[in-house]
Amino acid sequence: EPEVTQTPSHQVTQMGQEVILRCVPISNHLYFYWYRQILGQKVEFLVSFYNNEISEKSEIFDDQFSVERPDGSNFTLKIRSTKLEDSAMYFCASSEIGQGLSGANVLTFGAGSRLTVL
Amino acid sequence: KQEVTQIPAALSVPEGENLVLNCSFTDSAIYNLQWFRQDPGKGLTSLLLIQSSQREQTSGRLNASLDKSSGRSTLYIAASQPGDSATYLCAPTRDNYGQNFVFGPGTRLSVLP
Repeated sequence: EPEVTQTPSHQVTQMGQEVILRCVPISNHLYFYWYRQILGQKVEFLVSFYNNEISEKSEIFDDQFSVERPDGSNFTLKIRSTKLEDSAMYFCASSEIGQGLSGANVLTFGAGSRLTVL
Repeated sequence: KQEVTQIPAALSVPEGENLVLNCSFTDSAIYNLQWFRQDPGKGLTSLLLIQSSQREQTSGRLNASLDKSSGRSTLYIAASQPGDSATYLCAPTRDNYGQNFVFGPGTRLSVLP
């Protein structure tokens, strides 16, 4: 069964360092997402991406964050200067198509990348 | 702003019981709603998606209902098994655009053998 793969599974970094989290969405999916989950808290939406541009972003997704699809398969989340409060599990997800078709935006999630900022 | 609550927060049942998980959301202008399962330390698995025009969806032992006007959804699990033990998350879309899912805090289910 197709799956979303994320690397690394766990990254430890020092405060102020740049971090890039990588995701390989399902190959025929067109919409890509990043969500995060701080330990013990709810899953929170960060950003959605379609047609090589951000389609929606939350208030969490400030100037420290950026996303990119550098080639035909990878989708990355960059945190420019990490803060302690960025420690969380970051989930990448993809969906085949967006709104308009029945069942079209069933999200398939990756296993997550755990980021620990010291 | 869409806010989602789930009741109960935790549930422990013996194997074989039928059970109902409840989800409430404040903004009824949703595009659809998904139920997910999360296993400890792992990602999320989509269980069922209900479009805003639908009232229920079924997959195997799972049945999800949606009452959009009252801002409620339920997940019914029939004949529960130990393998059903996980956290169940309800996620309606933030609005009727459909790209931003707002997650509830989850119901942590333990099914005892």
